[in-house]
Amino acid sequence: TQLLEQSPQFLSIQEGENLTVYCNSSSVFSSLQWYRQEPGEGPVLLVTVVTGGEVKKLKRLTFQFGDARKDSSLHITAAQPGDTGLYLCAGAKGGNMLTFGGGTRLMVKP
Amino acid sequence: GAVVSQHPSWVICKSGTSVKIECRSLDFQATTMFWYRQFPKQSLMLMATSNEGSKATYEQGVEKDKFLINHASLTLSTLTVTSAHPEDSSFYICSASSARLADQETQYFGPGTRLLVL
Repeated sequence: TQLLEQSPQFLSIQEGENLTVYCNSSSVFSSLQWYRQEPGEGPVLLVTVVTGGEVKKLKRLTFQFGDARKDSSLHITAAQPGDTGLYLCAGAKGGNMLTFGGGTRLMVKP
Repeated sequence: GAVVSQHPSWVICKSGTSVKIECRSLDFQATTMFWYRQFPKQSLMLMATSNEGSKATYEQGVEKDKFLINHASLTLSTLTVTSAHPEDSSFYICSASSARLADQETQYFGPGTRLLVL
């Protein structure tokens, strides 16, 4: 059983659509990171959220950390083909060890 | 900032040979480095954690003698796959974090190394 449940696992949408990826856990995290990974490359850090209820925006991407710091979401507005990739959430518990979610594979069709 | 490199980016070797993969933090001192393995279309699987100057801590099910990890300096860690077999073929990714950075809990990943054992 994943300690960090990520949903959906797969998502295929048309360019211009909006989408939300969820990352849920019964555990409290001191921080949570979101990464994006393209095929054949390593994960690239998108954002780190630390405070419960925190919202961070990165252009068309909006990240939210739950008030209880057990869950997080990533919302993409007007998705573009360049957003295609594997999105990974990862939670930390007061150290540098990360618990990874199972990943969400996003495909944005032109 | 916080750039991590890996070398080689891909390697093909014969069964029974050993392969060394290097992971370097280019612009910061990595107090901890991590080695992951990733199977196609799956998330990352942590293999081991290494702190500079200490022995690596391996995850359950990962053979220490098979996957040798050395973290000789604050900017370099190596993973050696000994006596590689086809089932060791995979995408290996390292990451680094630093207690000296403001975001101590964040890991910065290398670009990965694809290993194919024939």
